[in-house]
Amino acid sequence: KNQVEQSPQSLIILEGKNCTLQCNYTVSPFSNLRWYKQDTGRGPVSLTIMTFSENTKSNGRYTATLDADTKQSSLHITASQLSDSASYICVVSSGDYKLSFGAGTTVTVRA
Amino acid sequence: KAGVTQTPRYLIKTRGQQVTLSCSPISGHRSVSWYQQTPGQGLQFLFEYFSETQRNKGNFPGRFSGRQFSNSRSEMNVSTLELGDSALYLCASSFSSQGANTEAFFGQGTRLTVV
Repeated sequence: KNQVEQSPQSLIILEGKNCTLQCNYTVSPFSNLRWYKQDTGRGPVSLTIMTFSENTKSNGRYTATLDADTKQSSLHITASQLSDSASYICVVSSGDYKLSFGAGTTVTVRA
Repeated sequence: KAGVTQTPRYLIKTRGQQVTLSCSPISGHRSVSWYQQTPGQGLQFLFEYFSETQRNKGNFPGRFSGRQFSNSRSEMNVSTLELGDSALYLCASSFSSQGANTEAFFGQGTRLTVV
């Protein structure tokens, strides 16, 4: 069964600090992995999408890494801002283009 | 370039009623996917339509159905509503299939409350 596990479930960080979110998956075959940011009550917004051959991808202060061998990905947030408070969802696409969703990590940034 | 538009934004229905939600994708996008999001279950895939054909379907009962029109706009229908259908319903549009290596854009969602 294709699964996507995210950790931690939630975290609180101080403004200006860095944090790293984890995503482990068992999806096979693998097509791509995406990270989405979802603000409360709004639709998810794409941060990065990575294919098998990509190890690192950045979008401003967000940097995603992918290790296809160990089936692990991480999302690093640098110099966090209050606007980074949101849920971050890891989504993995399989070869038949079906998507498997993680439960998300809720990040709270405090001043 | 207009984004993905979902209507209505909020909806309150009574158990047993039916509801139709609408999604207008980004111009030029042929794929529209629907998702249900609840606090306990997270995001769950309902179905995907591509060029008016249902391409993929999630594990939801037959009460959930959808269709796509020739202009790529899509509608989702839920019949015989149950309390458990209360959720945020999201649609996403993309140029090719939802899982392909192209970005998917989500709408703001329709918040459905069943009382």
